[in-house]
Amino acid sequence: DVKVTQSSRYLVKRTGEKVFLECVQDMDHENMFWYRQDPGLGLRLIYFSYDVKMKEKGDIPEGYSVSREKKERFSLILESASTNQTSMYLCASSRLSGGDQETQYFGPGTRLLVL
Amino acid sequence: GQNIDQPTEMTATEGAIVQINCTYQTSGFNGLFWYQQHAGEAPTFLSYNVLDGLEEKGRFSSFLSRSKGYSYLLLKELQMKDSASYLCAVHTGGFKTIFGAGTRLFVKA
Repeated sequence: DVKVTQSSRYLVKRTGEKVFLECVQDMDHENMFWYRQDPGLGLRLIYFSYDVKMKEKGDIPEGYSVSREKKERFSLILESASTNQTSMYLCASSRLSGGDQETQYFGPGTRLLVL
Repeated sequence: GQNIDQPTEMTATEGAIVQINCTYQTSGFNGLFWYQQHAGEAPTFLSYNVLDGLEEKGRFSSFLSRSKGYSYLLLKELQMKDSASYLCAVHTGGFKTIFGAGTRLFVKA
């Protein structure tokens, strides 16, 4: 079974703090993704990575950065947290592009509250 | 623009059949996913349709019509544990998958 883990289930931070969200997958997947999920909006892609040290912006990258130093680990960084970044953050991984292999496997999510 | 529409909420009775519809307008189409997400948990894969028609997997079936930009997820013999959100998602190409807002299904006794 694919396992995707995230460093925290719940996190409370103050405005202006730097926040690190960590994601680790154990299935040797090439692709990794960070989404945020807000009520009524569905999942929105923040960043994705298709290889070590490679990253691409998603639909809403502003205020975020990412790091992929190792294949199994993908980190999301909020440089200076703001209250509008309060959300559920979901990490996902998948194999290389191609038909059924695009199935994404999700981590349990991190619910972030920025005060 | 890119758009995926699905009902916000549905309610059904234990043992019944429920159909959750999804319509999409996207710039590309490689396939359509359905995911199940229980409250506070990660989305989990249910089905993936590439070609038109119905695909059955146990109590769950998924249908796709590419010409109509339409899909549905059919759940039979509903159980209380099926209470969850169901996410329709379109793989538009490359690394891009667009998700709908999800349909929250309530199963009552």
